[in-house]
Amino acid sequence: QVQLLQSGAEVRKPGSSVKVSCKASGDSFSSYSISWVRQAPGQGLEWMGGIVPVFGVADYARKFQDRVVISADKSTTTTYMELRSLRSEDTAFYYCARGGVRGEANIWFDPWGQGTLVTVSA
Amino acid sequence: EIVLTQSPGTLSLSPGDRATLSCRASQSVNYRYVAWYQQKPGQTPRLLIYGASSRATGVPDRFSGSGSGTDFTLTITTLEPEDFAVYYCQQYDSSPTFGQGTRLDIK
Repeated sequence: QVQLLQSGAEVRKPGSSVKVSCKASGDSFSSYSISWVRQAPGQGLEWMGGIVPVFGVADYARKFQDRVVISADKSTTTTYMELRSLRSEDTAFYYCARGGVRGEANIWFDPWGQGTLVTVSA
Repeated sequence: EIVLTQSPGTLSLSPGDRATLSCRASQSVNYRYVAWYQQKPGQTPRLLIYGASSRATGVPDRFSGSGSGTDFTLTITTLEPEDFAVYYCQQYDSSPTFGQGTRLDIK
C-alpha cells in the first residue's frame, strides 16, 4: 500500500518562494502520476498540476503555470512542488496525491498525502 | 477548462435519510471520467467513486454514483453518523477540476 509523506509546515513572506516535498513509499513510484492540490482555509480543492515521474514532464493548471514548478526525483521517490512569488492568497494546505492509473496524469487521486500548511504573511 | 457546479451547497438531513448530491459540468465529460471524494474536518480527502459509478476499495455499498454527459449524482442510501462531511466531485476528462463542494450537515 503506497503512502505519501509530505514535508512540514512553512511560513513565508510575500514575494518569496516555497518548496514542498512528497515522498512515496512502496513500489511503482515512476509509473503513477503525482498531482498537487491546494485548499485554502475553509475553501474547496484546487488542482495545481501533476507529473508522471517516468515521463518527467509536468502539466500545470493555467492559473498556476507561471508560478509553479513540479519535479520528481526517481532515486528518492520524492516529488516536489515549488511555488514562487507568494502572496497572502496562497496561504493554504497543499496536498500531494497519487493518480489512480499507471501513466495517467488526468485521473482520480488516491491516496493523498497528509497535507502541508503554507502560511504567507508579512 | 471544465467547470463543475455542485448542488445544493449545504444539505441538512438526519441519520437514516437518503442523500442525493448533484454535480453538473459546463461541458460533456467523456467516458464518465468523474470521481467523488469525502472530506471530514481536519482530514484529507478520501476517494469514494471513480469512473462515475465504481466504488473505491473499502467504500460501503450505501455510496453509489451515477450519471453521464454533464450531470452526475452521488447517492448515499441510508445516512450513517460518520457520513456527515463535505463531498467534492472531480472531472479528469481534461486537466482535473473540482466542484466547490456540498456540505452534508446533521439536521
